[in-house]
Amino acid sequence: QKEVEQNSGPLSVPEGAIASLNCTYSDRGSQSFFWYRQYSGKSPELIMFIYSNGDKEDGRFTAQLNKASQYVSLLIRDSQPSDSATYLCAVRDNYGQNFVFGPGTRLSVLP
Amino acid sequence: DGGITQSPKYLFRKEGQNVTLSCEQNLNHDAMYWYRQDPGQGLRLIYYSQIVNDFQKGDIAEGYSVSREKKESFPLTVTSAQKNPTAFYLCASSKGARETQYFGPGTRLLVL
Repeated sequence: QKEVEQNSGPLSVPEGAIASLNCTYSDRGSQSFFWYRQYSGKSPELIMFIYSNGDKEDGRFTAQLNKASQYVSLLIRDSQPSDSATYLCAVRDNYGQNFVFGPGTRLSVLP
Repeated sequence: DGGITQSPKYLFRKEGQNVTLSCEQNLNHDAMYWYRQDPGQGLRLIYYSQIVNDFQKGDIAEGYSVSREKKESFPLTVTSAQKNPTAFYLCASSKGARETQYFGPGTRLLVL
């Protein structure tokens, strides 16, 4: 059974700080990694994806991937109250056609 | 505007009743998916379809059925065999089988 784990939170950070969200996965064959943001009562929206080891930056967001440690993270710089949401990590392996989602981490950015 | 639409936003089901959730996309995506989300849990895959007239069961297909007669449409029926249907149902689509998935706004199903 392929598993994706995330700390459920809530993770609270002050406005302007860096929020660090972590995700671990069990399947070493995993190749693609996605971060979605989900506001309460709404559907998930894609933030970014990463395929290669290392960092990938997009505006205030940085995804970090370490396949050897089976670990992917999302950093949010200059956190804003509008970033308060649940962040879902999704993983797809090289052979499967489907995503496996983690339970999500709830982030609260305090003004 | 291109996107994924789901209707209705809220749906109430009576005991023993079958209900159908609509999902339509105009993104020209080949693949479509149905997920269920329960409070505090991640998304679980119900059914998916990579091409018209073909679909496969996901992890929790029991009590659900789907059809894919048109590329744009992938309706989900929650049958009376699904004993715990109360959840947030999300439809997603992707350009191809391994591409990024994009979500519709969701349908919240409640049992009367």
